[in-house]
Amino acid sequence: ETGVTQTPRHLVMGMTNKKSLKCEQHLGHNAMYWYKQSAKKPLELMFVYSLEERVENNSVPSRFSPECPNSSHLFLHLHTLQPEDSALYLCASSHQTTGESLHFGNGTRLTVT
Amino acid sequence: GENVEQHPSTLSVQEGDSAVIKCTYSDSASNYFPWYKQELGKRPQLIIDIRSNVGEKKDQRIAVTLNKTAKHFSLHITETQPEDSAVYFCAASIVGMGTGANNLFFGTGTRLTVIP
Repeated sequence: ETGVTQTPRHLVMGMTNKKSLKCEQHLGHNAMYWYKQSAKKPLELMFVYSLEERVENNSVPSRFSPECPNSSHLFLHLHTLQPEDSALYLCASSHQTTGESLHFGNGTRLTVT
Repeated sequence: GENVEQHPSTLSVQEGDSAVIKCTYSDSASNYFPWYKQELGKRPQLIIDIRSNVGEKKDQRIAVTLNKTAKHFSLHITETQPEDSAVYFCAASIVGMGTGANNLFFGTGTRLTVIP
């Protein structure tokens, strides 16, 4: 049990599909993150929520839409994706204190066909 | 924004030897530097971190050093074992700046292979 649970673990979708990734944390944290991990690239920060408010949006295309209904849950809604969006999408959480590092989930391996 | 560079991208060592991975950062305001280990098919896991008020930290076979003036920090693994084989990521961030969120900027990773 990692404390941060992501579903599904694997997802294959066509470019016209709509799907959602889910993340749930059981650590009492109040900041949550979406990262994208592609081969041979740094982990890319996509979105940050602190106390359920979005505090960071790093120029992510609008085909990715995050939702944070409460401090324990985070979603990433996907629609009309491109093949280059295929990657591992990692959710992470942390506590709103100084210096607390991130706890990652196991990720969702997304393939866009 | 912050830019973190990591070298080497791949590293092979014989079991029992030491491994060193180096990172540089660009933002002198960065004050928190964690290292993550990611085994194949698994999530990144924090293995050690260092804050800007110290120059070195050790935890058994793992140590991290920080040179604030030069803006670089390094991971040292001694007496390497096959289970140390993984991808290692360095990161930098500024903590304690109000949002409470910890926006980590990651290096590109080093694939370490320990040869038995």
